[in-house]
Amino acid sequence: QQQVKQSPQSLIVQKGGISIINCAYENTAFDYFPWYQQFPGKGPALLIAIRPDVSEKKEGRFTISFNKSAKQFSLHIMDSQPGDSATYFCAATTFRLIQGAQKLVFGQGTRLTINP
Amino acid sequence: DTEVTQTPKHLVMGMTNKKSLKCEQHMGHRAMYWYKQKAKKPPELMFVYSYEKLSINESVPSRFSPECPNSSLLNLHLHALQPEDSALYLCASSQVLVIAGELFFGEGSRLTVL
Repeated sequence: QQQVKQSPQSLIVQKGGISIINCAYENTAFDYFPWYQQFPGKGPALLIAIRPDVSEKKEGRFTISFNKSAKQFSLHIMDSQPGDSATYFCAATTFRLIQGAQKLVFGQGTRLTINP
Repeated sequence: DTEVTQTPKHLVMGMTNKKSLKCEQHMGHRAMYWYKQKAKKPPELMFVYSYEKLSINESVPSRFSPECPNSSLLNLHLHALQPEDSALYLCASSQVLVIAGELFFGEGSRLTVL
């Protein structure tokens, strides 16, 4: 129940195309869903996050779509660029924290390659 | 300054060695984390310190010993490690808030146990 399932494991998209990464969760206690981006040799960095009270959140070329009834959420990268090539992790946690500490449950990651 | 700095970047140690990984942040964050990341896998939470007190230990073997000397520093002491402990060790920090926010990760210390 603590798992977050992420697909696909790897994705190749042409420059200018749309990259789509999907995640699903079981634990209904989760109510905060961040996406982290990790470049080789770097630590993960927060990209965008959403709460279930909205169905979509957009920041620039990055959009999260959220389907609460299906317990699924996805990341869309519009006009994908070679600089977007990285590993993307979806995650889930509870919005109200215990002792201020976050226990993120990560998906398995998607290695995205944008071909020029 | 929004950086989490980890040293060393690379560490090679034998199974009988004692070494330490260090992490420093000057963002005023009072929650600090250790994660372990194997190749092509997501980060796995090991420990969380909140206000310099250990608040979460994810059943990590005692050969890993965390320490939080002050609000800016976090150490991970390593002793009698196994080759399967070879991984990227990531430090992260966040504000201690009632609600979730951003975790700031360092670039990690890549550990190889021979």
